Amino acid sequence: EIVLTQSPATLSLSPGERATLSCRASQSISSFLAWYQQKPSQAPRLLIYDASNRATGIPARFSGSGSGTDFTLSISSLEPEDFAVYYCQQRSKWPLTFGGGTKVEIK
Amino acid sequence: QVQLVESGGGVVQPGGSLRLSCAVSGFTFSRYGMHWVRQAPGKGLEWVAFIPYDESNKYYADSVKGRFTISRDNSKNTLYVQMNNLRAEDTAVYYCARKLDGYNHFDYWGQGTLVTVSS
Repeated sequence: EIVLTQSPATLSLSPGERATLSCRASQSISSFLAWYQQKPSQAPRLLIYDASNRATGIPARFSGSGSGTDFTLSISSLEPEDFAVYYCQQRSKWPLTFGGGTKVEIK
Repeated sequence: QVQLVESGGGVVQPGGSLRLSCAVSGFTFSRYGMHWVRQAPGKGLEWVAFIPYDESNKYYADSVKGRFTISRDNSKNTLYVQMNNLRAEDTAVYYCARKLDGYNHFDYWGQGTLVTVSS
């Protein structure tokens, strides 16, 4: 099974700052990685698919990059509604797997 | 608009069974693969099972293989998961999610239904 390791576990930032989240795969997954945002008591929301493609309706301040084993989700300028938990997910091989999550909290 | 609504959760004893349903609307259900994903209380996301639009090849997480069965009724626009021999570690919120067309990512999610396995 492909293991996804997200870092850091928690990111403490202020509104307006740039957020950089990392996801590392235990083996190469090409560009087959997605990012999701989850707020308390809500279902996850797809932000980015296949490493760098924004999903429908996702603001341009969210961007994804990477390939192989190292991936990054960037939020260019944090809005109040962006404070949440973010997960990465790979579709390269079954079983589909998620990373453990990064919590972006208000500093 | 796309909607997915899960139902069927509840409290069940270890070794018991439960069937979850996911009623969908707002899109042509018969054209999309569907997934179940779960989240234990306070924990991360875990993919559970997948069924393609034509039910040709189903996939399961090792943790549920042989105990859970995913199915669908395209005439009723409904996805199911039959869960047998439930264990305490199956306690979670269960989400149904639509497969993003062409990619095994999840573009729409239901609100989730809580399954608690406890004596």
